[in-house]
Amino acid sequence: GAVVSQHPSWVICKSGTSVKIECRSLDFQATTMFWYRQFPKQSLMLMATSNEGSKATYEQGVEKDKFLINHASLTLSTLTVTSAHPEDSSFYICSARLPTDTGELFFGEGSRLTVL
Amino acid sequence: AQTVTQSQPEMSVQEAETVTLSCTYDTSESDYYLFWYKQPPSRQMILVIRQEAYKQQNATENRFSVNFQKAAKSFSLKISDSQLGDAAMYFCARMYGAGSYQLTFGKGTKLSVIP
Repeated sequence: GAVVSQHPSWVICKSGTSVKIECRSLDFQATTMFWYRQFPKQSLMLMATSNEGSKATYEQGVEKDKFLINHASLTLSTLTVTSAHPEDSSFYICSARLPTDTGELFFGEGSRLTVL
Repeated sequence: AQTVTQSQPEMSVQEAETVTLSCTYDTSESDYYLFWYKQPPSRQMILVIRQEAYKQQNATENRFSVNFQKAAKSFSLKISDSQLGDAAMYFCARMYGAGSYQLTFGKGTKLSVIP
């Protein structure tokens, strides 16, 4: 299947700093990528839809100024957690849509963020 | 909100036996996709099987098959000849809205395989 890579796989930062997580589609062009958040032992919650060349669409309750999403190219979307706080600690997962009619999604390996 | 419900938080199965994981969903649309994803301890989400709602035939992928009951909005996953490597969290998901490609996930079922 297609490959989606996230970096970093884990990151620890101090409260108040910003952290950037990258999501890359390695062998296909993805016009649409999705960012999810997963709390321990819980399901994936969609945070936002990232469309190449346009503004991201955020789900209700997700702070767009806190979670900045940029999809500047067809193979890269970034999620920046700004002024991170301990409650932002979580597992963040991206997925990229294969540009076919069926729109199959492939997931990255996830990034674990710990804010001290 | 249109939801996906997995009523079994945890399941266990003996190695080589068969297990069925349940999923029901809510939708007002006629055209949609349903998925089962596996999340092993590595946390990488892996697609197990998919079903197009307009297809009456149940999808199968080797040891994995589904029982899709559209009228009942039910989408269960059957794992035959269970293997130790099948132990993982399994998430049922529905593609949310024609053309949007957004996934709505259930809360997951943790499957343990007993040697």
